[in-house]
Amino acid sequence: GEDVEQSLFLSVREGDSSVINCTYTDSSSTYLYWYKQEPGAGLQLLTYIFSNMDMKQDQRLTVLLNKKDKHLSLRIADTQTGDSAIYFCAYDPGGSYIPTFGRGTSLIVHP
Amino acid sequence: DTGVSQNPRHKITKRGQNVTFRCDPISEHNRLYWYRQTLGQGPEFLTYFQNEAQLEKSRLLSDRFSAERPKGSFSTLEIQRTEQGDSAMYLCASSPLAEETQYFGPGTRLLVL
Repeated sequence: GEDVEQSLFLSVREGDSSVINCTYTDSSSTYLYWYKQEPGAGLQLLTYIFSNMDMKQDQRLTVLLNKKDKHLSLRIADTQTGDSAIYFCAYDPGGSYIPTFGRGTSLIVHP
Repeated sequence: DTGVSQNPRHKITKRGQNVTFRCDPISEHNRLYWYRQTLGQGPEFLTYFQNEAQLEKSRLLSDRFSAERPKGSFSTLEIQRTEQGDSAMYLCASSPLAEETQYFGPGTRLLVL
């Protein structure tokens, strides 16, 4: 199967919270990342978490890591239409500096 | 603008032609990466440099693909004898030695007719 799995689509109402989930296979991951990609653009790093952490909060973003289940999530509070984009989960296997990306979750925010 | 820049932003070519893309990383970033992204997929790693040295190139898609970073600053990615399957977005990223995180450029979109 895929090294990184994500749901392909998520639709939320403006003002609600969005939760994007990701599972990965490599237990030697050191860093795990969330990137955002808007149409026709490159990737923008949103946040990352080191593998010895359980949670990281950065303004409207909360990252939760369950290392036992190899599950990573990104919560966006008070989701806005400008948050509509594709969100990629990625991990760095064993500190190789070469991240492996998921296929991305397309977040659609509607009024 | 001090971000990663890529040129050209778009390239249309005929099958069999050679193409070359350029990436200018953030100043003083030692590492430079090339990725390919096809529709509906995440970026797929191709190769990376630390300064002038190409440290990983086994994942270049075929021997038609090559990359250089002659002076440890900008880099070029060349695809020889392009095929329709090479149509994709080619992304460049850079990072400083002290950081794990990568900073991406806007990409070069290639269409092979």
